[in-house]
Amino acid sequence: QQQVKQSPQSLIVQKGGISIINCAYENTAFDYFPWYQQFPGKGPALLIAIRPDVSEKKEGRFTISFNKSAKQFSLHIMDSQPGDSATYFCAASMETSGSRLTFGEGTQLTVNP
Amino acid sequence: EAQVTQNPRYLITVTGKKLTVTCSQNMNHEYMSWYRQDPGLGLRQIYYSMNVEVTDKGDVPEGYKVSRKEKRNFPLILESPSPNQTSLYFCASSLLVGGVEQYFGPGTRLTVT
Repeated sequence: QQQVKQSPQSLIVQKGGISIINCAYENTAFDYFPWYQQFPGKGPALLIAIRPDVSEKKEGRFTISFNKSAKQFSLHIMDSQPGDSATYFCAASMETSGSRLTFGEGTQLTVNP
Repeated sequence: EAQVTQNPRYLITVTGKKLTVTCSQNMNHEYMSWYRQDPGLGLRQIYYSMNVEVTDKGDVPEGYKVSRKEKRNFPLILESPSPNQTSLYFCASSLLVGGVEQYFGPGTRLTVT
């Protein structure tokens, strides 16, 4: 049972372009939505996270947009760089489950020079 | 340096031969977890632990065992590995509260023939 659905599975963007990855969730009890970035041969690492009391969070070139009514959230990477090429995972958790995260399927992003 | 370590990093074994993948963290985290990563399926949780001697099943626990005898260690045991357990495995740890970063190990690539 996949409670967090992520799309697209793969994405190719030109350098300087905008990368957009989308996630949808089912459980309205989720209250924390992180994005993890994974480089080849490495474990995932936290990139940016948002709580549902705000609709957008920006850190540098990375922005999370959150739509609570649609139960969707997305990651936008502005001015994408070849160094951003990685696999990105969205995730969700709820306070009552403590640290348990439910992950999306992942998106492999390739930024061409 | 704060980190999660896993050993071995790569393992090739045969069906039915018991194996253990070790995981250790030096951040005094209460929460530890094992995931498997498969293409198109994202990160799926196998088992998790909220403290010493407290473990619980995740989403895909069949064929796996864990133990948590010390706070820093959380080994993953495959008592009779099968080819469908060929995967990339990650251990992670965090504080036992919602909405915090999970720290991942570097991964263990397991092949069962």
